[in-house]
Amino acid sequence: EVQMVESGGTLVQPGGSLRVSCVASGFIFSTSEVNWFRQAPGKGPEWVSRISSDGSDKRYADSVRGRFSISRDNSKNSLYLQMNSLRVEDTAVYYCVRRGCWGQGTLVTVSS
Amino acid sequence: DIQMTQSPSSLSASVGDRVTITCRASQDIRNDLGWYHQKPGKAPKRLIYGASSLQSGAPSRFSGSGSGTEFTLTISSLQPEDFATYYCLQYNAYPFTFGQGTKLEIK
Repeated sequence: EVQMVESGGTLVQPGGSLRVSCVASGFIFSTSEVNWFRQAPGKGPEWVSRISSDGSDKRYADSVRGRFSISRDNSKNSLYLQMNSLRVEDTAVYYCVRRGCWGQGTLVTVSS
Repeated sequence: DIQMTQSPSSLSASVGDRVTITCRASQDIRNDLGWYHQKPGKAPKRLIYGASSLQSGAPSRFSGSGSGTEFTLTISSLQPEDFATYYCLQYNAYPFTFGQGTKLEIK
């Protein structure tokens, strides 16, 4: 069974940094591209970033480009999202997603 | 960016009804479209991928059709557990984009 388990979400001040993580199981992680999506309270979901299977190709939404960085460690079946210069509008549940399979999400709250 | 226009934004229906939700893409996305439903406090769950392929484990009362710019999700006979919010997602080009959502409520 494919599983994605996110962690690392917490309360952070505007301008701060945070890294959220995702551990995948149930498939060959090293051959799969994976994505981060997010959903702000009361809003629809939004695509954030995507990384190729070997980590060589990365894509970002305009709203996070230059502030967020996606990475992966295939030896650990893990996906990461480094978030810098956080803004109040980055407050959301962050999900890692592979081929339509979503984790349960991790909540990032940006507030003073 | 590709804009996804989803309609209706809300829908009231009864158990047993047949309902249809539509998404229109601002440019040709071939069949690179998925349909999701979401219940409060839960992650979105994919029902359809490739515009018309049923996700493993999704009930057969869900079906998708369309290609290019016009897409439809049909629920053949509504069940109580189907009352939720539905989204389409295009993954033909970055950035991937969602429709605005359809809230399906009990009449």
